[in-house]
Amino acid sequence: GNSVTQMEGPVTLSEEAFLTINCTYTATGYPSLFWYVQYPGEGLQLLLKATKADDKGSNKGFEATYRKETTSFHLEKGSVQVSDSAVYFCALSDRIQGAQKLVFGQGTRLTINP
Amino acid sequence: EAGVAQSPRYKIIEKRQSVAFWCNPISGHATLYWYQQILGQGPKLLIQFQNNGVVDDSQLPKDRFSAERLKGVDSTLKIQPAKLEDSAVYLCASSLDRIYEQYFGPGTRLTVT
Repeated sequence: GNSVTQMEGPVTLSEEAFLTINCTYTATGYPSLFWYVQYPGEGLQLLLKATKADDKGSNKGFEATYRKETTSFHLEKGSVQVSDSAVYFCALSDRIQGAQKLVFGQGTRLTINP
Repeated sequence: EAGVAQSPRYKIIEKRQSVAFWCNPISGHATLYWYQQILGQGPKLLIQFQNNGVVDDSQLPKDRFSAERLKGVDSTLKIQPAKLEDSAVYLCASSLDRIYEQYFGPGTRLTVT
């Protein structure tokens, strides 16, 4: 079945450091790929998405490129801020009987120190 | 626009007791989802409704879990009887229709002792 594997956390960085959170997937067909973020005490929010190979999703300074050849969707940010501290989830969506079914990775907790 | 509302936010019960969670989706959203998020894991889909009909409940433990979405709006998820391994955050999400972006509520954190 479909699955998503993320780099294990927790990840701790200093403010303005470069961030990479690795994500690889296994899927039949051609899934859409997503990064969700969960801030403390809040629900999951969609951060960015890509729907086909070589697409780049971007939002709030974060980027991720859909790499079909390496089945990866790594999240990057050039200069992180304390406010980026959260748990990040990589997910894929495959259409099953016309419905979007999300499969999530285990999440990576990111802490940014001032 | 109001987001997805869930209540209660926290619940502590003893094993073998029953518990119910409530979700109010974004107005006009036809599709509603319940997810279980165990500590240290990503959310796992339990059940998906389209209006008031069930689309997918393949991962719902039907011997103890039940869910309904009367009138195609609010939904309740019930566990009876609860087990220790049911301790998790239960997330509700909704989308305009089945192919669109899902919006998540803040979740209900359940602790079974």
